[in-house]
Amino acid sequence: DTEVTQTPKHLVMGMTNKKSLKCEQHMGHRAMYWYKQKAKKPPELMFVYSYEKLSINESVPSRFSPECPNSSLLNLHLHALQPEDSALYLCASSHVFFRDSFFTDTQYFGPGTRLTVL
Amino acid sequence: AQTVTQSQPEMSVQEAETVTLSCTYDTSENNYYLFWYKQPPSRQMILVIRQEAYKQQNATENRFSVNFQKAAKSFSLKISDSQLGDTAMYFCAFTKIQGAQKLVFGQGTRLTINP
Repeated sequence: DTEVTQTPKHLVMGMTNKKSLKCEQHMGHRAMYWYKQKAKKPPELMFVYSYEKLSINESVPSRFSPECPNSSLLNLHLHALQPEDSALYLCASSHVFFRDSFFTDTQYFGPGTRLTVL
Repeated sequence: AQTVTQSQPEMSVQEAETVTLSCTYDTSENNYYLFWYKQPPSRQMILVIRQEAYKQQNATENRFSVNFQKAAKSFSLKISDSQLGDTAMYFCAFTKIQGAQKLVFGQGTRLTINP
C-alpha cells in the first residue's frame, strides 16, 4: 500500500484566517515532505521532516508553520497568507535507510490540497 | 547543484501509438535515482518508474520503459500502446541517494493521447 492521504481537498481562506492542512501515511515511512505547486509548474520543496524532526526548511516564510506530531502525521499551519500563496500543496513520504547517513528512497505523494487565499 | 531539463513542453499522439518523452540532467554525483512521475488532471503525483544510477539495466513497468544513458546524462521515457488514461503532465525528477531529501524536477511535458 503506497497511500498518502491529505485533508482537506480544497480550502478557501481569507488573509486573516488561520487554517491547517493535514497529511497522513501508514507505510512506516520516517521522512515526510511538503511541496507547493503553482499551475503548470513542477512542485517546489518547502519542508522535510526526518524522524519527526525538521531537517530542511527551504527558506519558507513564517506564515507557513509545519508540525510533525508523530511518525504518521504531518501538518502545515497557515496564518496571514497572501493571495500569491494560492497553490496546490502536496505532501509526500519516503522510507529512510540508515538514519544517521540518511539514505532516502522513493517519495510517494498524496492527492494534494488546493488552497485559495482571498 | 543538480538540474533537470525536459525539452518538450507538450506532445500529442494517437491512442495505441508509442511515444517517447525526453529528459536530460546535470550532476556531479555518481549515486542517484531518477524518476518519472505522472500528474493527471486529478492532480495526484503518481510514480511511473524509477531508475537507480548504479544499475545498467533499463527499468521497465508494463507499458513504460526508460532509456537510461548515464554517460550522456539522458533519461527518456517510452510509453508503448498509449491509452487515453496516459493523458497527463509527466515530470522527470532526480535525487541523490544519500543525504539529499530533495527531488529536483524538470519543467514537465504535457502529454495528450487522442482517441
